[in-house]
Amino acid sequence: DGGITQSPKYLFRKEGQNVTLSCEQNLNHDAMYWYRQDPGQGLRLIYYSQIVNDFQKGDIAEGYSVSREKKESFPLTVTSAQKNPTAFYLCASTGTSGVSSYNEQFFGPGTRLTVL
Amino acid sequence: SQQGEEDPQALSIQEGENATMNCSYKTSINNLQWYRQNSGRGLVHLILIRSNEREKHSGRLRVTLDTSKKSSSLLITASRAADTASYFCATDASDSWGKLQFGAGTQVVVTP
Repeated sequence: DGGITQSPKYLFRKEGQNVTLSCEQNLNHDAMYWYRQDPGQGLRLIYYSQIVNDFQKGDIAEGYSVSREKKESFPLTVTSAQKNPTAFYLCASTGTSGVSSYNEQFFGPGTRLTVL
Repeated sequence: SQQGEEDPQALSIQEGENATMNCSYKTSINNLQWYRQNSGRGLVHLILIRSNEREKHSGRLRVTLDTSKKSSSLLITASRAADTASYFCATDASDSWGKLQFGAGTQVVVTP
């Protein structure tokens, strides 16, 4: 059953704690992305990775960190430096067709993070 | 930054009616994509239209793209209650290496 999974579905964190959100895909996609969604708004890009062992900051990377040690895994750490971390976090992946021609993104079910 | 902007922000229609939403963007693109999101869930890809295409169909969905006006529209024909969701356009800009810029979405409610 191919797809992209995220865990946990719900996560509660106390202020000052770091938390790590998991994202795994078995679609053999090279590129993976992390987005943040706030209520009633669109998605904003946090980090992305086009290939293993490489990743780039998106539009709102401050207070977040990532790693890409394996092709299928792209975990996101929300650090205590992120001032307003309560949000819905979505992970996505995409493959390519041809040279630099990216296709549609496949999304995981999301993780809802609440800071208490 | 959000490149795509959807219009209207919200739309309420009855089953059987058509729903049309629009998306405007600012820079040149490789492709434009439409996604659907049910409440509290991940996004589901609907249609991808490339910059050299003008119209695309998928089932009850019709997407148009006008690169001269930097705009796109999504038409859902013969809507059903199950079409109730938020719809987002996302642009893949020419120099973006697959990064998508999402709009704020159009919330569609279809009542029986």
